[in-house]
Amino acid sequence: DTGVSQDPRHKITKRGQNVTFRCDPISEHNRLYWYRQTLGQGPEFLTYFQNEAQLEKSRLLSDRFSAERPKGSFSTLEIQRTEQGDSAMYLCASSLSGIAEAFFGQGTRLTVV
Amino acid sequence: KQEVTQIPAALSVPEGENLVLNCSFTDSAIYNLQWFRQDPGKGLTSLLLIQSSQREQTSGRLNASLDKSSGRSTLYIAASQPGDSATYLCAVDGIQGAQKLVFGQGTRLTINP
Repeated sequence: DTGVSQDPRHKITKRGQNVTFRCDPISEHNRLYWYRQTLGQGPEFLTYFQNEAQLEKSRLLSDRFSAERPKGSFSTLEIQRTEQGDSAMYLCASSLSGIAEAFFGQGTRLTVV
Repeated sequence: KQEVTQIPAALSVPEGENLVLNCSFTDSAIYNLQWFRQDPGKGLTSLLLIQSSQREQTSGRLNASLDKSSGRSTLYIAASQPGDSATYLCAVDGIQGAQKLVFGQGTRLTINP
């Protein structure tokens, strides 16, 4: 088991472009979470899935953000019409329902120029 | 709304010292508390998980305690080493089974050789 994997590790994009990130959770984990972390702050919850169902979305997740987990395995997070304020580290985590411990990936660092 | 605070924001100590990091939360109705380590530009590594029925957990030189009634947790690091230098984050979840984590802003720890 290689842990939670995120791709790409770094992304630089121009303002107004769309970007998509991918997360591959630990294989037997049925829960998958997305968090956003800005410099000097702790991560903030964005959304989570149980299997393929998106069960909760934060108010931080504006209409420009969409997340999917189509087959209950990997997940994608898309940001449309990126803004400079979207620059952050996007972290993915997974866990097994009934087991409390969450495991995080290495994150995707997004820079919007 | 749950709020998590970590004090101090930064700490610098000489190698070999024992130290304590503090975490407080405003809503005592938490289910679990988890401590993480984050190296610069990296993802989060889970250190210790304290479940609701537990009061402390130990792993090697690390010991974490939890007092739900007072809304506090401490992370004790014994015989600190330069390799312990990192940001330490605590996080709580508040709804049984949901595991959505609320994070503190972290304590940036520097161990000087």
